[in-house]
Amino acid sequence: QITLKESGPTLVKPTQTLTLTCTFSGFSLSTSGVGVGWIRQPPGKALEWLALIYWDDDKRYSPSLKSRLTISKDTSKNQVVLTMTNMDPVDTATYFCAHSLGYSPPFDYWGQGILVTVSS
Amino acid sequence: DIQMTQSPSSLSASVGDRVTITCRASQSISNYLNWYQQKPGKAPNLLIYTASSLQSGVPSRFSGSGSGTDFTLTISSLQPEDFATYYCQQSYGTPRTFGQGTKLDIK
Repeated sequence: QITLKESGPTLVKPTQTLTLTCTFSGFSLSTSGVGVGWIRQPPGKALEWLALIYWDDDKRYSPSLKSRLTISKDTSKNQVVLTMTNMDPVDTATYFCAHSLGYSPPFDYWGQGILVTVSS
Repeated sequence: DIQMTQSPSSLSASVGDRVTITCRASQSISNYLNWYQQKPGKAPNLLIYTASSLQSGVPSRFSGSGSGTDFTLTISSLQPEDFATYYCQQSYGTPRTFGQGTKLDIK
């Protein structure tokens, strides 16, 4: 049974760096083809794809946010970490992590999401 | 970036209706198109992948079709639990962009 869960601060101040952790079970990020991605959703708005890391440490980023994002994995801890620098109130959103498997795959398992508010 | 445009943005329908939602990509994405259902306060749930493959556990009243730039999601007979927001997503290029969503509510 695959599960994922996001953790991190729910309130950050403008200009601060956000660090979110996705802790998962039921699969290994050392297995060929596996990926874990991050997606966010501002309140009442659409989903936005942020970043994805693969089993072989290949990393993909949204071009519009690439300068602010870093994704990394700790295979031994079954965790993926996303950092986003220089947070702004427009970054207020629910942040989801999700599992994928295969070539150009969908996200087939999702975490519950964590609402991050950016406010002074 | 590949832009994904869904239509309509919102839709009112009744239980038992047949409903179709369309998604258009700004360039060809072959069949790398996925559909998700999202209910308020919940994570999205994968319905259809690679345009027409039904995800395990998803009812057969959901179906998808299309290739290239034009895709459709069809619900053959709406059930009460189907009232939700639906998103398409391309997994052809990076970023793996989503459509703006189609909110399906009860007429």
